[in-house]
Amino acid sequence: AQSVTQLDSHVSVSEGTPVLLRCNYSSSYSPSLFWYVQHPNKGLQLLLKYTSAATLVKGINGFEAEFKKSETSFHLTKPSAHMSDAAEYFCVVSDRGTGNQFYFGTGTSLTVIP
Amino acid sequence: KAGVTQTPRYLIKTRGQQVTLSCSPISGHRSVSWYQQTPGQGLQFLFEYFSETQRNKGNFPGRFSGRQFSNSRSEMNVSTLELGDSALYLCASSKLAGGLSSYEQYFGPGTRLTVT
Repeated sequence: AQSVTQLDSHVSVSEGTPVLLRCNYSSSYSPSLFWYVQHPNKGLQLLLKYTSAATLVKGINGFEAEFKKSETSFHLTKPSAHMSDAAEYFCVVSDRGTGNQFYFGTGTSLTVIP
Repeated sequence: KAGVTQTPRYLIKTRGQQVTLSCSPISGHRSVSWYQQTPGQGLQFLFEYFSETQRNKGNFPGRFSGRQFSNSRSEMNVSTLELGDSALYLCASSKLAGGLSSYEQYFGPGTRLTVT
């Protein structure tokens, strides 16, 4: 069965400091993993994706994530937080066993303190 | 290239009524998925359509149904609305045509449904 656990429901960082949003996954096959961001009253925007190529994935707006199979993790990082990064972040797993079905984590709300 | 569009953006209905939501995918995308987002349950998968066929279905009652047209546009219908159906309904499209890996999904802005 596929599932995602986002380990923090809320993260607060100061502007200019690093961001770490944690995600663990469970998958029966070789997973595809994604991070999406949702700003208030908006749809979801794709930040980055892992699909069995390089384990370190770079995304938009300076975000990146590292796929660690041994730890079943796919944590999202950014070296320096910006005020505009404040949003809800979702980790998603999908695999060939379930076609295109996405399994979402419960989300992590990121607050950036000026 | 235009993104995923959803209409209407906001909707208010009363209990017992039915509602139809519409989604137009990105041009060339043949897979359309629907999700319900609520504060309590988060993002939950409703169903996915590909080439006018429902391929996957989430754990929702039969009051929730959908369809896809030959131009890949999709509609979802909720009959006999309940208060608990109040949610943001998100549509996502993907290029996926089968194969070995999952393609990313592109989401529309959603339809905010309020049931009173």
